[in-house]
Amino acid sequence: AQRVTQPEKLLSVFKGAPVELKCNYSYSGSPELFWYVQYSRQRLQLLLRHISRESIKGFTADLNKGETSFHLKKPFAQEEDSAMYYCALSGLTQGGSEKLVFGKGTKLTVNP
Amino acid sequence: DAGVIQSPRHEVTEMGQEVTLRCKPISGHDYLFWYRQTMMRGLELLIYFNNNVPIDDSGMPEDRFSAKMPNASFSTLKIQPSEPRDSAVYFCASSPSGRGIYEQYFGPGTRLTVT
Repeated sequence: AQRVTQPEKLLSVFKGAPVELKCNYSYSGSPELFWYVQYSRQRLQLLLRHISRESIKGFTADLNKGETSFHLKKPFAQEEDSAMYYCALSGLTQGGSEKLVFGKGTKLTVNP
Repeated sequence: DAGVIQSPRHEVTEMGQEVTLRCKPISGHDYLFWYRQTMMRGLELLIYFNNNVPIDDSGMPEDRFSAKMPNASFSTLKIQPSEPRDSAVYFCASSPSGRGIYEQYFGPGTRLTVT
């Protein structure tokens, strides 16, 4: 079964400091990993996917299959990065359907 | 485009009552998802449809829950009878064909409180 673990419920950093939101996964197949973000009073939205290897709003995430991790990083946090971040994994279920499984989320607060 | 539309935004009902949540996906999107979010369990997929056909309903908690998608622009999630443990935020999301299921566009959610 697919599982996504985000060990930190809350993460607080100061503006300009580096930030890393941790995500670990469990999946027997070849996973596709994603980060979703929900800013205050906005809808949950896709931030980035590992396949595209892109940087969005200064965030990057590298899939480490050896450590089964997909941590989200940004070298210099900004106050507008304060939000709820969800790691998600797309894979096949035992029934053969594709499913997106979310972690429980990490609330990031960037202090001035 | 208004995005995914959900109604009502808030619902307060008494235990035993029937509750119906509604969703209008983004026009042209082929996938529709229903999620439930609680503090304890996080965001859980309940059911999803592709071209109006249910594909995976393994997340539906029990027979009290049912979902329908009579056409490409409308879906309902019904709870009958409702129980206090059903209190949660229910999200609807849709995604376009060709993007698999990962690029989901979420609605604002319906906050359900069952007393």
